Amino acid sequence: QVKLQQSGAELVKPGASVKLSCKTSGYTFSTSYMSWFKQIPGQSIEWIGMIYAGDGGTGYNQKFKGKATLTVDTSSSTAYMDLSSLTTEDSAVYFCARYYSADWYFDFWGPGTMVTVSS
Amino acid sequence: DIQMTQSPSFLSASVGERVTLSCRASQNINKYLDWYQQKLGEAPKLLIYNTNNLHTGIPSRFSGSGSGTDYTLTISSLQPEDVATYFCLQRNSWPYTFGAGTKLELK
Repeated sequence: QVKLQQSGAELVKPGASVKLSCKTSGYTFSTSYMSWFKQIPGQSIEWIGMIYAGDGGTGYNQKFKGKATLTVDTSSSTAYMDLSSLTTEDSAVYFCARYYSADWYFDFWGPGTMVTVSS
Repeated sequence: DIQMTQSPSFLSASVGERVTLSCRASQNINKYLDWYQQKLGEAPKLLIYNTNNLHTGIPSRFSGSGSGTDYTLTISSLQPEDVATYFCLQRNSWPYTFGAGTKLELK
């Protein structure tokens, strides 16, 4: 069955960077799409961007360009998101989700990674 | 960016009641509208995709409809396990955008 496992909670200092991971299993990762999302607790959800594992091609929400960088490692079926120059406004839960390319929707989601930016 | 407006923000209903949640887009989204359920501390769960398609394993009491800019999620008979926040998502154009959510509670 499809599973997405995300890395553990992070506590980072302002100005630092963090790399989040999303390890997948149960489907063919190398020909799939993955998206990342941000949710501040108690608020709505924002789409950050998408990556195609086949060639590493990416597309970003303009709001997150320069903030988030999406990559994949097909050998380990893992997607990554680098967040740079962190501020308190980046404190949130970050989700990865598979983009099901047959009908184009986000069908399986990871449990989320809480990132707290604090000095 | 396409703005998604959900209403109401908060809804209190009784078990067995029919419940209707609304989502309005700032422009035509060509039925590329999905509904998610999110319970406290969990990831969003896909209920409906492309306006009216029930995702695998979702109970048939959930249904969706709409076109153009106006979309609806209906729960035909509210169950206690349906207590959650519901979000709509438009996938018509980048960036994909969510509504602010409707928090559904039991009366």
